[in-house]
Amino acid sequence: GAVVSQHPSWVICKSGTSVKIECRSLDFQATTMFWYRQFPKQSLMLMATSNEGSKATYEQGVEKDKFLINHASLTLSTLTVTSAHPEDSSFYICSASRDGAKGYTFGSGTRLTVV
Amino acid sequence: GEDVEQSLFLSVREGDSSVINCTYTDSSSTYLYWYKQEPGAGLQLLTYIFSNMDMKQDQRLTVLLNKKDKHLSLRIADTQTGDSAIYFCAESNDYKLSFGAGTTVTVRA
Repeated sequence: GAVVSQHPSWVICKSGTSVKIECRSLDFQATTMFWYRQFPKQSLMLMATSNEGSKATYEQGVEKDKFLINHASLTLSTLTVTSAHPEDSSFYICSASRDGAKGYTFGSGTRLTVV
Repeated sequence: GEDVEQSLFLSVREGDSSVINCTYTDSSSTYLYWYKQEPGAGLQLLTYIFSNMDMKQDQRLTVLLNKKDKHLSLRIADTQTGDSAIYFCAESNDYKLSFGAGTTVTVRA
């Protein structure tokens, strides 16, 4: 149980275009999901907390107009990287919790490359 | 903010035990976690420990928590080549996770 599906697993896009990444909880409902960014050989940095039915909570330094988060249902959160630039290239990972703090399940990640 | 630190690299011979260490600064952490990340993949929860426990064992994995020293360790018994990965220590307070930089474990034959 507690499976989180993330799609796509990789995407290449041109500078200036927007990319949407989906995060789904397959067998449980998640009122809260989290979006992380990971640079090569570095740790995960929390970007924002996605709340079902309300606005996302962004961490300091993360541009909310750049990284649009929508959590329209209890099983789906989306992250849209708008007007992507090469510096947005990174590994993006979502997570959700079914059992509260006891278990955060992560998606398989999305490798974004902006050319 | 919370800081989680762990050594960056560990090389271990197949069949030996691996010990990965982690320190954290937030004394109000409620849960502490160990995650495994293989190349190009997401994070897999290996185990977690509640802050009022000092040890948890799950098959080949043993977690030790010294709350006084804010020190967490993960021991992997009989390390196998499939254990080669990056291991992240993380702590949570409220619902946010703070991660260490990850320890790259390399298992050599």
